[in-house]
Amino acid sequence: DTGVSQDPRHKITKRGQNVTFRCDPISEHNRLYWYRQTLGQGPEFLTYFQNEAQLEKSRLLSDRFSAERPKGSFSTLEIQRTEQGDSAMYLCASSSPRGYEQYFGPGTRLTVT
Amino acid sequence: KNQVEQSPQSLIILEGKNCTLQCNYTVSPFSNLRWYKQDTGRGPVSLTIMTFSENTKSNGRYTATLDADTKQSSLHITASQLSDSASYICVVNRDAGNMLTFGGGTRLMVKP
Repeated sequence: DTGVSQDPRHKITKRGQNVTFRCDPISEHNRLYWYRQTLGQGPEFLTYFQNEAQLEKSRLLSDRFSAERPKGSFSTLEIQRTEQGDSAMYLCASSSPRGYEQYFGPGTRLTVT
Repeated sequence: KNQVEQSPQSLIILEGKNCTLQCNYTVSPFSNLRWYKQDTGRGPVSLTIMTFSENTKSNGRYTATLDADTKQSSLHITASQLSDSASYICVVNRDAGNMLTFGGGTRLMVKP
């Protein structure tokens, strides 16, 4: 399978704990995006990487959130001191340098208890 | 504020019937408009992408239309199947690649 992969698919954590998600984009894609989606809503943009550079960050991305893409390949999204409001599906997408199309991964569903 | 509004929020139809989903947007400037299908618990999958100059685009039983003057789009599903049950999300791209604005989606349920 050469699509976008995300790990884990599900994460249950207690409030106050830190969590980290991983995204592996399609191999030749240099652009990588993180989105958050709450139940019944469309995804909301969080941040965007071109290669290893984080070029855009949404105001939704509070200080407790940090994303990295150290070698321009896979990316991690860390949430520190999780809150119940962080419960959502976290989606990763990637696109090629010349393409409009963003290809989405299956998402990581986070539940904060 | 750049927005994408979809209607209806949810829809139930019988297998074999047709349906049309609506999308109105205020995003500006406009680069392209996409329709995605999202199965429950999965990531969105692209159905169509239309640029400013395209009025209609088909993908099998899915046909999308775009009126850039009125800033409206529709997705028509023909001869619905049970597997069409999903959320359909309208997405507008402002700058040809990076910033996508998503609608809230229409949840479609196809019943036998």
